[in-house]
Amino acid sequence: RKEVEQDPGPFNVPEGATVAFNCTYSNSASQSFFWYRQDCRKEPKLLMSVYSSGNEDGRFTAQLNRASQYISLLIRDSKLSDSATYLCVVNAANQAGTALIFGKGTTLSVSS
Amino acid sequence: DGGITQSPKYLFRKEGQNVTLSCEQNLNHDAMYWYRQDPGQGLRLIYYSQIVNDFQKGDIAEGYSVSREKKESFPLTVTSAQKNPTAFYLCASSIAASGMGLGNEQFFGPGTRLTVL
Repeated sequence: RKEVEQDPGPFNVPEGATVAFNCTYSNSASQSFFWYRQDCRKEPKLLMSVYSSGNEDGRFTAQLNRASQYISLLIRDSKLSDSATYLCVVNAANQAGTALIFGKGTTLSVSS
Repeated sequence: DGGITQSPKYLFRKEGQNVTLSCEQNLNHDAMYWYRQDPGQGLRLIYYSQIVNDFQKGDIAEGYSVSREKKESFPLTVTSAQKNPTAFYLCASSIAASGMGLGNEQFFGPGTRLTVL
């Protein structure tokens, strides 16, 4: 099982749609979870951290299911500017320090 | 403005040459990282440093070297021993991890695209 696994997509949705991405991770000892956004040929940027209780930031909602070892990201009312690749990120619990493991990303394309 | 800078943005190298990529941060972060990203691939960790004068190999350290003489700076040298160096190189930084080994969010520089001619 890959350490962090995501459906690469692409997800093609119209403006205003709701879209959800899932991500699974293999190390049950992982404790830190994030979603990053990466635009084409740019650096990844932190979208949001994922907390055990779930968290929401405007149109974005992140959830964590520790029992099943998956993380989700829900985007409501999609905008054209949401088109990007979304990276699921988990800390490498088997290494000391601060290493993170990045998924390969899920590509979202929002069209008018 | 606080942030991470990388230079150059684009770099061309002839086979057999060593090149050094610059990474500087003024966020007062203790930890710094180097990743490479290939098309359609996730980020792969090359080296990381949690404190000045200390660094650790990541998953793909062969053919690369780093130094951490100053908190603000973490340069990466791509040596001629790296067989396939053409890639997008990303530097990141974060505050130090807690003693529980939690991974803190990392902040990235704009990247350097290295092409071997």
